[in-house]
Amino acid sequence: RKEVEQDPGPFNVPEGATVAFNCTYSNSASQSFFWYRQDCRKEPKLLMSVYSSGNEDGRFTAQLNRASQYISLLIRDSKLSDSATYLCVVKLGGQNFVFGPGTRLSVLP
Amino acid sequence: EPEVTQTPSHQVTQMGQEVILRCVPISNHLYFYWYRQILGQKVEFLVSFYNNEISEKSEIFDDQFSVERPDGSNFTLKIRSTKLEDSAMYFCASRDGTGGNSPLHFGNGTRLTVT
Repeated sequence: RKEVEQDPGPFNVPEGATVAFNCTYSNSASQSFFWYRQDCRKEPKLLMSVYSSGNEDGRFTAQLNRASQYISLLIRDSKLSDSATYLCVVKLGGQNFVFGPGTRLSVLP
Repeated sequence: EPEVTQTPSHQVTQMGQEVILRCVPISNHLYFYWYRQILGQKVEFLVSFYNNEISEKSEIFDDQFSVERPDGSNFTLKIRSTKLEDSAMYFCASRDGTGGNSPLHFGNGTRLTVT
């Protein structure tokens, strides 16, 4: 089983839509969780950390379910500028941050 | 906002040649990383570095690879004898290490093309 798995995508949604991304991780000792976004041929950029109680940042909501080893990201009222690849990132017990394969989102006018 | 900077942005080299990729992490950060991303594939961990030594490395990081922090600001990745399959985007990252949950901050990458 892969360490971090994500919805294969791509997701094509109209502007204003709500879209949800899912991520699962295999190592129950994983400590920290993040969502990054990556634009084509650019570096990953931190979107938000994911906390146990769930957290929200504007139109973005992240949830963590440790029992199910599952992380989600919800984007409300999607904008054209949200088009990117969304990367689920899990920090294991040491220093290694493991990246999922990413889910590509295209927001269409 | 402080940034991680990487040079060069693009490096073209011939197979068998040595390359050095350079990074300047954010100044108060304690942990430094190299990742690579082959075109169309996922971001892969190479190595982490803390307190002037390698703290973890992946299977990719074999004897052809080495890292160094030659002074108080630079962090370099050397590939001794490049192979065609080393062609990828190489990202440097750093984090401050305060608490266990500090995120990675990435530089804008060096695109390495091995011909």
